[in-house]
Amino acid sequence: NAGVTQTPKFQVLKTGQSMTLQCAQDMNHEYMSWYRQDPGMGLRLIHYSVGAGITDQGEVPNGYNVSRSTTEDFPLRLLSAAPSQTSVYFCASSVTRMNTEAFFGQGTRLTVV
Amino acid sequence: AQKVTQAQTEISVVEKEDVTLDCVYETRDTTYYLFWYKQPPSGELVFLIRRNSFDEQNEISGRYSWNFQKSTSSFNFTITASQVVDSAVYFCPTYGNNRLAFGKGNQVVVIP
Repeated sequence: NAGVTQTPKFQVLKTGQSMTLQCAQDMNHEYMSWYRQDPGMGLRLIHYSVGAGITDQGEVPNGYNVSRSTTEDFPLRLLSAAPSQTSVYFCASSVTRMNTEAFFGQGTRLTVV
Repeated sequence: AQKVTQAQTEISVVEKEDVTLDCVYETRDTTYYLFWYKQPPSGELVFLIRRNSFDEQNEISGRYSWNFQKSTSSFNFTITASQVVDSAVYFCPTYGNNRLAFGKGNQVVVIP
Protein backbone atom coordinates (compact mmCIF):
# COMPACT_ATOMS: atom_id res chain seq x y z
CA ASN A 1 0.00 0.00 0.00
CA ALA A 2 2.13 2.89 -1.30
CA GLY A 3 -0.18 5.83 -0.47
CA VAL A 4 1.34 9.08 -1.75
CA THR A 5 4.74 8.78 -3.40
CA GLN A 6 6.95 11.76 -4.12
CA THR A 7 10.13 11.78 -6.13
CA PRO A 8 12.86 12.80 -5.78
CA LYS A 9 13.47 13.05 -2.03
CA PHE A 10 16.30 15.52 -2.44
CA GLN A 11 17.26 17.85 -5.27
CA VAL A 12 19.78 20.62 -5.83
CA LEU A 13 19.13 23.02 -8.70
CA LYS A 14 20.99 25.96 -10.08
CA THR A 15 19.18 29.27 -10.41
CA GLY A 16 17.26 29.34 -13.68
CA GLN A 17 16.99 25.58 -14.12
CA SER A 18 13.61 23.94 -14.44
CA MET A 19 12.46 20.65 -13.02
CA THR A 20 9.40 18.61 -12.19
CA LEU A 21 8.57 17.17 -8.80
CA GLN A 22 6.57 14.00 -9.17
CA CYS A 23 3.61 12.96 -7.04
CA ALA A 24 1.54 9.82 -7.42
CA GLN A 25 -1.19 8.30 -5.29
CA ASP A 26 -2.76 4.87 -5.54
CA MET A 27 -5.88 5.48 -3.43
CA ASN A 28 -8.11 6.84 -6.22
CA HIS A 29 -8.37 10.16 -4.41
CA GLU A 30 -10.04 13.04 -6.22
CA TYR A 31 -8.24 15.84 -4.42
CA MET A 32 -4.51 16.43 -4.64
CA SER A 33 -2.43 19.38 -3.59
CA TRP A 34 1.09 20.73 -3.27
CA TYR A 35 2.41 22.58 -0.22
CA ARG A 36 5.72 24.10 0.59
CA GLN A 37 7.14 24.21 4.09
CA ASP A 38 9.60 26.89 5.09
CA PRO A 39 11.20 27.21 8.53
CA GLY A 40 8.88 28.88 11.01
CA MET A 41 6.07 29.33 8.47
CA GLY A 42 4.07 26.14 8.55
CA LEU A 43 2.80 24.78 5.24
CA ARG A 44 1.49 26.96 2.46
CA LEU A 45 -0.64 25.79 -0.43
CA ILE A 46 0.86 26.17 -3.91
CA HIS A 47 -1.67 24.52 -6.23
CA TYR A 48 -4.45 22.02 -5.91
CA SER A 49 -6.69 19.83 -8.04
CA VAL A 50 -10.21 18.61 -7.33
CA GLY A 51 -10.08 16.00 -10.08
CA ALA A 52 -8.44 15.03 -13.35
CA GLY A 53 -8.27 17.98 -15.71
CA ILE A 54 -9.05 20.55 -12.99
CA THR A 55 -6.41 22.61 -11.20
CA ASP A 56 -6.41 25.87 -9.31
CA GLN A 57 -4.01 28.20 -7.56
CA GLY A 58 -3.36 28.21 -3.87
CA GLU A 59 -1.72 30.77 -1.66
CA VAL A 60 1.74 30.90 -3.27
CA PRO A 61 1.44 29.79 -6.92
CA ASN A 62 3.98 32.09 -8.59
CA GLY A 63 6.83 30.25 -10.26
CA TYR A 64 5.05 26.90 -10.31
CA ASN A 65 2.83 25.05 -12.77
CA VAL A 66 0.73 21.94 -12.34
CA SER A 67 -1.37 19.65 -14.47
CA ARG A 68 -3.64 16.72 -13.67
CA SER A 69 -4.03 14.45 -16.67
CA THR A 70 -4.82 11.38 -14.59
CA THR A 71 -6.37 10.77 -11.19
CA GLU A 72 -3.13 9.25 -9.91
CA ASP A 73 -0.52 11.85 -10.86
CA PHE A 74 -0.07 15.50 -9.97
CA PRO A 75 3.36 16.82 -10.99
CA LEU A 76 4.66 20.21 -9.89
CA ARG A 77 6.87 22.10 -12.33
CA LEU A 78 9.34 24.77 -11.37
CA LEU A 79 9.69 26.94 -14.44
CA SER A 80 12.90 28.83 -13.63
CA ALA A 81 14.21 27.98 -10.19
CA ALA A 82 15.07 30.79 -7.79
CA PRO A 83 16.77 30.65 -4.37
CA SER A 84 13.44 31.72 -2.82
CA GLN A 85 12.05 28.35 -3.89
CA THR A 86 14.42 26.52 -1.59
CA SER A 87 12.00 24.64 0.60
CA VAL A 88 10.51 21.28 1.48
CA TYR A 89 7.64 20.36 -0.81
CA PHE A 90 4.79 18.10 0.19
CA CYS A 91 2.17 16.49 -1.99
CA ALA A 92 -1.10 15.47 -0.37
CA SER A 93 -4.25 13.70 -1.42
CA SER A 94 -7.67 13.10 0.07
CA VAL A 95 -10.85 11.33 -0.93
CA THR A 96 -12.65 14.53 -1.75
CA ARG A 97 -11.80 18.01 -0.70
CA MET A 98 -9.47 18.67 2.18
CA ASN A 99 -12.19 18.49 4.80
CA THR A 100 -11.37 14.80 5.07
CA GLU A 101 -8.17 13.15 6.22
CA ALA A 102 -5.25 14.10 4.01
CA PHE A 103 -2.43 11.72 3.19
CA PHE A 104 0.94 13.34 2.69
CA GLY A 105 3.98 12.19 0.80
CA GLN A 106 7.41 12.01 2.40
CA GLY A 107 8.41 15.38 1.04
CA THR A 108 11.04 16.66 -1.39
CA ARG A 109 13.82 18.81 -0.02
CA LEU A 110 14.79 21.26 -2.75
CA THR A 111 17.78 23.56 -2.64
CA VAL A 112 18.29 26.23 -5.29
CA VAL A 113 21.80 27.65 -5.45
CA ALA B 1 -10.07 33.30 5.26
CA GLN B 2 -9.24 30.61 7.74
CA LYS B 3 -6.38 31.18 10.12
CA VAL B 4 -4.87 29.30 13.02
CA THR B 5 -2.56 30.54 15.74
CA GLN B 6 -0.25 28.23 17.64
CA ALA B 7 1.50 30.57 19.99
CA GLN B 8 3.88 28.12 21.68
CA THR B 9 6.66 27.62 19.16
CA GLU B 10 8.77 25.20 21.20
CA ILE B 11 7.83 23.24 24.29
CA SER B 12 10.24 21.04 26.21
CA VAL B 13 9.02 18.49 28.73
CA VAL B 14 10.60 15.67 30.66
CA GLU B 15 9.41 12.21 29.77
CA LYS B 16 6.16 11.21 31.53
CA GLU B 17 5.06 14.80 31.98
CA ASP B 18 1.82 15.97 30.36
CA VAL B 19 1.93 18.62 27.65
CA THR B 20 -0.91 20.71 26.25
CA LEU B 21 -0.71 22.41 22.87
CA ASP B 22 -2.93 25.42 22.29
CA CYS B 23 -4.62 26.10 18.98
CA VAL B 24 -6.82 29.12 18.29
CA TYR B 25 -8.65 29.30 14.99
CA GLU B 26 -10.41 32.03 13.05
CA THR B 27 -13.12 31.40 10.50
CA ARG B 28 -16.24 33.08 9.17
CA ASP B 29 -17.79 29.79 8.09
CA THR B 30 -20.59 28.25 10.11
CA THR B 31 -19.46 24.79 9.06
CA TYR B 32 -15.77 24.18 9.37
CA TYR B 33 -13.27 21.44 10.05
CA LEU B 34 -10.31 21.30 12.36
CA PHE B 35 -7.44 18.85 12.33
CA TRP B 36 -4.29 17.90 14.16
CA TYR B 37 -1.27 16.50 12.34
CA LYS B 38 2.04 15.28 13.70
CA GLN B 39 5.34 15.80 11.88
CA PRO B 40 8.06 13.65 13.46
CA PRO B 41 11.76 14.28 12.75
CA SER B 42 11.53 11.96 9.74
CA GLY B 43 9.46 14.67 8.05
CA GLU B 44 6.19 13.10 6.97
CA LEU B 45 2.87 14.47 8.21
CA VAL B 46 0.65 12.07 10.08
CA PHE B 47 -3.07 12.63 10.57
CA LEU B 48 -4.23 12.51 14.20
CA ILE B 49 -7.79 13.79 14.35
CA ARG B 50 -10.53 15.62 12.46
CA ARG B 51 -13.37 17.52 14.09
CA ASN B 52 -16.25 19.38 12.49
CA SER B 53 -17.86 22.49 13.92
CA PHE B 54 -21.01 20.66 15.02
CA ASP B 55 -19.21 18.15 17.20
CA GLU B 56 -17.91 19.69 20.39
CA GLN B 57 -17.38 16.41 22.18
CA ASN B 58 -13.93 15.96 23.60
CA GLU B 59 -11.97 13.04 22.27
CA ILE B 60 -9.53 10.67 23.87
CA SER B 61 -7.33 8.24 22.01
CA GLY B 62 -4.82 6.46 24.20
CA ARG B 63 -2.49 9.10 25.63
CA TYR B 64 -3.88 11.78 23.32
CA SER B 65 -6.91 13.94 24.09
CA TRP B 66 -8.50 16.92 22.42
CA ASN B 67 -10.61 19.73 23.84
CA PHE B 68 -12.74 21.62 21.31
CA GLN B 69 -14.42 24.79 22.57
CA LYS B 70 -16.33 26.91 20.07
CA SER B 71 -16.89 29.63 22.66
CA THR B 72 -13.15 30.38 22.74
CA SER B 73 -12.38 29.20 19.16
CA SER B 74 -9.88 26.72 20.51
CA PHE B 75 -9.01 23.14 19.71
CA ASN B 76 -6.34 22.14 22.21
CA PHE B 77 -4.36 18.91 22.26
CA THR B 78 -2.97 17.18 25.33
CA ILE B 79 -0.40 14.41 25.44
CA THR B 80 -0.53 12.54 28.73
CA ALA B 81 2.58 10.85 30.11
CA SER B 82 4.74 12.02 27.23
CA GLN B 83 7.27 9.71 25.60
CA VAL B 84 10.34 10.39 23.51
CA VAL B 85 8.42 9.21 20.44
CA ASP B 86 6.10 12.18 20.92
CA SER B 87 8.91 14.55 19.97
CA ALA B 88 7.64 16.20 16.82
CA VAL B 89 6.08 19.32 15.37
CA TYR B 90 2.31 19.39 15.75
CA PHE B 91 0.02 21.34 13.45
CA CYS B 92 -3.67 22.16 13.84
CA PRO B 93 -4.83 23.25 10.38
CA THR B 94 -8.34 24.32 9.60
CA TYR B 95 -10.15 23.59 6.36
CA GLY B 96 -11.80 26.21 4.23
CA ASN B 97 -11.90 27.44 0.63
CA ASN B 98 -10.59 24.15 -0.75
CA ARG B 99 -7.49 24.16 1.39
CA LEU B 100 -5.96 23.43 4.73
CA ALA B 101 -4.69 26.56 6.44
CA PHE B 102 -1.70 25.75 8.61
CA GLY B 103 -0.24 27.67 11.50
CA LYS B 104 3.43 27.62 12.40
CA GLY B 105 3.14 24.50 14.51
CA ASN B 106 4.24 23.52 18.01
CA GLN B 107 7.67 21.91 18.34
CA VAL B 108 7.51 19.41 21.19
CA VAL B 109 10.75 18.08 22.63
CA VAL B 110 10.46 15.24 25.11
CA ILE B 111 13.59 14.87 27.20
CA PRO B 112 14.35 11.34 28.42
